[in-house]
Amino acid sequence: GAVVSQHPSRVICKSGTSVKIECRSLDFQATTMFWYRQFPKQSLMLMATSNEGSKATYEQGVEKDKFLINHASLTLSTLTVTSAHPEDSSFYICSASYKQGTSPLHFGNGTRLTVT
Amino acid sequence: RKEVEQDPGPFNVPEGATVAFNCTYSNSASQSFFWYRQDCRKEPKLLMSVYSSGNEDGRFTAQLNRASQYISLLIRDSKLSDSATYLCVVNEENTGFQKLVFGTGTRLLVSP
Repeated sequence: GAVVSQHPSRVICKSGTSVKIECRSLDFQATTMFWYRQFPKQSLMLMATSNEGSKATYEQGVEKDKFLINHASLTLSTLTVTSAHPEDSSFYICSASYKQGTSPLHFGNGTRLTVT
Repeated sequence: RKEVEQDPGPFNVPEGATVAFNCTYSNSASQSFFWYRQDCRKEPKLLMSVYSSGNEDGRFTAQLNRASQYISLLIRDSKLSDSATYLCVVNEENTGFQKLVFGTGTRLLVSP
């Protein structure tokens, strides 16, 4: 079946540094990928929709200059958390669908970011 | 009001029990519905889609009531391995790209 790979699975960084997270669709082409964030005991919240070859669409309240998204190919989207702060510590998950419309999403294994 | 509401639980049941989870959604234009399972500190994994006519996959049965904007998941003969958080997920878009809204999840604990 479809597989989405995310890297790294865990990262610890110092406040003020930037962290890049990669999301790859391994056996299908994903024109659209999604980035979510999940804080402890809370639901997944959509941060942005990443479109191959164009600018990402950010959800309300998500700073596009802080969370840089690049979707340069049909199999790779990256999320860069710039100038990370402790409040950015969270579980970041990407997802992709190999078919537009109502097909379910497949998720990457997530990245647990801890900013010290 | 939350867009997708679930009882957070936890539901504590013995092995072999039958347990049901409910979910309500606020957007009547929602197009498709799913149940995902999320284990602690892991990514969500698709359990099953929910179809208008109701559908079953082994021990799992999902039902949808569009009039009441209500989705359910029934688990029969619970196993220890069923312990997880079950996420009700609603797709609010049908323009070609999905806008998924997640419930906060219902936690299930199956004990020996």
